[in-house]
Amino acid sequence: DTGVSQNPRHKITKRGQNVTFRCDPISEHNRLYWYRQTLGQGPEFLTYFQNEAQLEKSRLLSDRFSAERPKGSFSTLEIQRTEQGDSAMYLCASETGTGGLNTQYFGPGTRLTVL
Amino acid sequence: QKEVEQDPGPLSVPEGAIVSLNCTYSNSAFQYFMWYRQYSRKGPELLMYTYSSGNKEDGRFTAQVDKSSKYISLFIRDSQPSDSATYLCAMRTRNQGGKLIFGQGTELSVKP
Repeated sequence: DTGVSQNPRHKITKRGQNVTFRCDPISEHNRLYWYRQTLGQGPEFLTYFQNEAQLEKSRLLSDRFSAERPKGSFSTLEIQRTEQGDSAMYLCASETGTGGLNTQYFGPGTRLTVL
Repeated sequence: QKEVEQDPGPLSVPEGAIVSLNCTYSNSAFQYFMWYRQYSRKGPELLMYTYSSGNKEDGRFTAQVDKSSKYISLFIRDSQPSDSATYLCAMRTRNQGGKLIFGQGTELSVKP
C-alpha cells in the first residue's frame, strides 16, 4: 500500500493555459474524490467517482473543469483557460466501500499557481 | 451561513497544555464525524472518526460529539511541538455520496 499519489506536486501556469493533474488512488479503492483547498480554508468538495462513473459534481466545478477516471483506476482533473482564482491546492482522496464508516485517504495535493 | 463552522485560530499553547478544538454544524443529517490533521503543504491525515454521541479516546486524543447541540470537539492532552499543525473537522451524511464537508481548520502551534 503506497498511499494516494498526485502529480505534479506543483504547477505554475499563465492565465488562459490548460492544466491537467493526475491522481493514483490506493489500489482497489473504488471511490475517488477531488477537493480544492485555498489558503486558510478547509477542503471543498469538487467531484467524485465510483469506479469509472462520475456520480456527483459540485456547483464549484465550472464548465472549464473536467474530470475523468477511465477504467476506474487513476483519475485526471483538467482545468481549461485557467484564471487566477483557480490558484489553490487540489487534493485527491480515495476510499473503499460506499461511504459511512469508510475512511478517505488523501494524497499530498497538487499546488496550482496561476500567474 | 456555512454548514460547518470552526474557529480558525491561530491557537498558541505551551508544551504540555490541554488543547480544545471545536466545530459546530447546522445540518442534522450529518452522521459521521472526523478530525483530520494537516501539516503545512501536505494532505490531511485522519486522526479520529466517530459516529455516535459521546466520547472516543485514542492515546492523547479524545473526540467528543454532541448531536443534540450539533457540536463536536477534539481534545489533545500533553500537547507536543510535533502536534503543531492545522486541525480540520469534517463530517458526512449517511448518503449524499460520501463527500466530506470540512470546517475552516484551526491552526495550532505548540511552543516548547
